[in-house]
Amino acid sequence: DAGITQSPRHKVTETGTPVTLRCHQTENHRYMYWYRQDPGHGLRLIHYSYGVKDTDKGEVSDGYSVSRSKTEDFLLTLESATSSQTSVYFCAISGRGGSYTFGSGTRLTVV
Amino acid sequence: GENVEQHPSTLSVQEGDSAVIKCTYSDSASNYFPWYKQELGKRPQLIIDIRSNVGEKKDQRIAVTLNKTAKHFSLHITETQPEDSAVYFCAASIGGGSNYKLTFGKGTLLTVNP
Repeated sequence: DAGITQSPRHKVTETGTPVTLRCHQTENHRYMYWYRQDPGHGLRLIHYSYGVKDTDKGEVSDGYSVSRSKTEDFLLTLESATSSQTSVYFCAISGRGGSYTFGSGTRLTVV
Repeated sequence: GENVEQHPSTLSVQEGDSAVIKCTYSDSASNYFPWYKQELGKRPQLIIDIRSNVGEKKDQRIAVTLNKTAKHFSLHITETQPEDSAVYFCAASIGGGSNYKLTFGKGTLLTVNP
């Protein structure tokens, strides 16, 4: 309904394994963002993209990488998951004027 | 980089009362200040925003004020209703076109008691 979907919605993974989260948009927006949400910390920017193959780091990028090979898809990879990466991950797109539309989120648990 | 402080972290009001949430920002170049509402288990959704060339904006029961000199902005909700109960986030950004990298406050849990 919002033109942006995330998958999976929930995931449990083991420490040390790689994990990839997917964000897919149908709005043809240039800018896409990955945030993590933790109690007491609000939403913190992990990485963002300003076009195909154009990405940059946010404030909490250590341990994460991203890729954007198509306008519609923005992937977030945890190279070797740790318990500190247990979080809710939100993808967002921004249209003209700055209004963000968020995906429904991915709840990731690292055990 | 930008730093956004938000207060209070929790706020409890009686139905029909007003609620005020305040935020301060550090970067005087910031020019866009949105507010998001997040209900339990849901995605954050934009409820109102203000730009640096405007001092106040209203939309029905909600309003936002901006003081650029003091670098703070506030959300005002009047005649609160139980469905206003949620977490509210302020944010700040230096932006233009579609390029807005938002820095969020840590959120305020608003509870409206019937």
